[in-house]
Amino acid sequence: GAGVSQSPSNKVTEKGKDVELRCDPISGHTALYWYRQSLGQGLEFLIYFQGNSAPDKSGLPSDRFSAERTGGSVSTLTIQRTQQEDSAVYLCASSLSAGVTEAFFGQGTRLTVV
Amino acid sequence: SQQGEEDPQALSIQEGENATMNCSYKTSINNLQWYRQNSGRGLVHLILIRSNEREKHSGRLRVTLDTSKKSSSLLITASRAADTASYFCATDPNTGNQFYFGTGTSLTVIP
Repeated sequence: GAGVSQSPSNKVTEKGKDVELRCDPISGHTALYWYRQSLGQGLEFLIYFQGNSAPDKSGLPSDRFSAERTGGSVSTLTIQRTQQEDSAVYLCASSLSAGVTEAFFGQGTRLTVV
Repeated sequence: SQQGEEDPQALSIQEGENATMNCSYKTSINNLQWYRQNSGRGLVHLILIRSNEREKHSGRLRVTLDTSKKSSSLLITASRAADTASYFCATDPNTGNQFYFGTGTSLTVIP
């Protein structure tokens, strides 16, 4: 596609439910990143995929969070047993390769846990 | 944390004035980037400066990098109301390829 696409754009879920957030990166981009941004805050790194290498999961806040990237393209971020503190905007970005290249961001998914 | 920190947290100026934002970071980096965010959603890339560069220009933007002080500045000249946004620096540390973002500067340009 022309840009990074994220779905849904907004998600309201009840505490304790699982949610899946989807990211479609720009075609041909080998690097994919997930970030979380709480209201009025900076971006918190969650996870990074580069080609077929093992992902860097060092930013995932707990074992309730997981992500996968199928076929080196689409990525899904899953949050199990959601908590109210998980409420945030989840941003996905992709870049042509890792290292010295700019990242292109999607518009994010605003997750609200009630 | 490897995040950078922007300074000031908020900045309000009159249209036509220059805006300067600063970013400090903690570890050695490969490059530093500046991004802009409108309305708390997707970020847009503005400019990238490599660790061996000291200054870079792009239109009304001027970025400097001082690796000895682990700091960078973003200057927006002749500001416009449309420049109102949050601005973030992002560093690409030598230890990996993920980007770490700072806390952001919220810029308001008053028409």
